[in-house]
Amino acid sequence: EVQLVESGGGVVRPGGSLRLSCAASGFTFDDYAMSWVRQVPGKGLEWVSNINWNGSKTGYADSVKGRFTISRDTAKDSLYLQMNSLRAEDTAFYHCARGESWGIPSYFDHWGQGILVTVSS
Amino acid sequence: QSVLTQPPSASGTPGQRVTISCSGRSSNIGNNTVSWYQHLPGTAPKLLIYSNDERPSGVPDRFSGSKSGTSASLAISGLQSEDEANYYCAAWDDSLNGPVFGGGTKLTVL
Repeated sequence: EVQLVESGGGVVRPGGSLRLSCAASGFTFDDYAMSWVRQVPGKGLEWVSNINWNGSKTGYADSVKGRFTISRDTAKDSLYLQMNSLRAEDTAFYHCARGESWGIPSYFDHWGQGILVTVSS
Repeated sequence: QSVLTQPPSASGTPGQRVTISCSGRSSNIGNNTVSWYQHLPGTAPKLLIYSNDERPSGVPDRFSGSKSGTSASLAISGLQSEDEANYYCAAWDDSLNGPVFGGGTKLTVL
């Protein structure tokens, strides 16, 4: 069974940093591209970033470009999101999601439950 | 403001058929495939439809998708109480170079 479990969320002050992790199991991690998608409470889903199967290609939403960095560790079957210079508008539930293949995702076939990040003074 | 446009709400009675629309433009729906997701707050979103009209294994055939031009639709027939959830459409956007989502439609089963 495919499982994606996020961790590392919490409360951080504006301008601060946080690193999210996503532990993957139940599939061959380096066969798939991975992404982060967030949801502001009460609002819709917003794509944040993606990374291809071997980490050689990454993409970011304009709203986080230059502040967030996505990475992956095949040895640990884990996906990461380093978030710097956090803003109040980054407050959201962050979901880890698996792309349907190794490259640019056309859709996300498995998702994690999400982890809450709150940016507040 | 989401890139893809969905009605904020929809409703139906048990057994009824409901449809949810998703409108985009040539850079997203017009040129790429559409997927649909079911989401209850606090849980993992679930893939319902991919490649416009394909169902993953385990998704009941009560759920169906279609696409025409720059619009897509999700239809749910034989509505059940457990279908009450938020539904999102998504597609890759060539201009933004990333996937885009609709604002979501909250489905209520009366």
